[in-house]
Amino acid sequence: DAGVIQSPRHEVTEMGQEVTLRCKPISGHNSLFWYRQTMMRGLELLIYFNNNVPIDDSGMPEDRFSAKMPNASFSTLKIQPSEPRDSAVYFCASKPLLRDNEQFFGPGTRLTVL
Amino acid sequence: SQQGEEDPQALSIQEGENATMNCSYKTSINNLQWYRQNSGRGLVHLILIRSNEREKHSGRLRVTLDTSKKSSSLLITASRAADTASYFCATRRDTGRRALTFGSGTRLQVQP
Repeated sequence: DAGVIQSPRHEVTEMGQEVTLRCKPISGHNSLFWYRQTMMRGLELLIYFNNNVPIDDSGMPEDRFSAKMPNASFSTLKIQPSEPRDSAVYFCASKPLLRDNEQFFGPGTRLTVL
Repeated sequence: SQQGEEDPQALSIQEGENATMNCSYKTSINNLQWYRQNSGRGLVHLILIRSNEREKHSGRLRVTLDTSKKSSSLLITASRAADTASYFCATRRDTGRRALTFGSGTRLQVQP
């Protein structure tokens, strides 16, 4: 298995632009998580899905952030419009729903908003 | 305040020495997990300890859990330069929100 796949790996954009981050979870994993990591705030959970349904989006910082999971093999995190303070590394992770074990993290997308 | 705080924030040791990192948390948990993150990479799961367990081993890793003190420790024995990374504890609550909450991490530097 290729593991969790994220794209792009790096994104540089200008303030006000729309940014879309993509994630493909490990096949068979039906829980998917989006995290944001910064030096100041550490690793923050933004939202997670079980069986494609958003369960907890309390970590989504503002209405500018939205996430979707249209099917079991694909999820997006969108920021519109982007701001410089959104600069961070965004991680996607997945795990089997009913197994209370580890999460498998993707390599992350490093986002820079100028 | 944040669930899962690691201590120390940074640790520098010589190769061959043992490294101990601590984690404190605030709420009742179902399990506690330790993850490792190499610079520029995603997190990798190391070990999970359940609330009814007190100690667990995996290779050179030893994890302890004291639920009365709401604390855990990760011991890496006979450290190697390749162990240089950031280490995070993550807790899963036994009620309410079931997602993991990560601590702020300990940056470990192992000098060759």
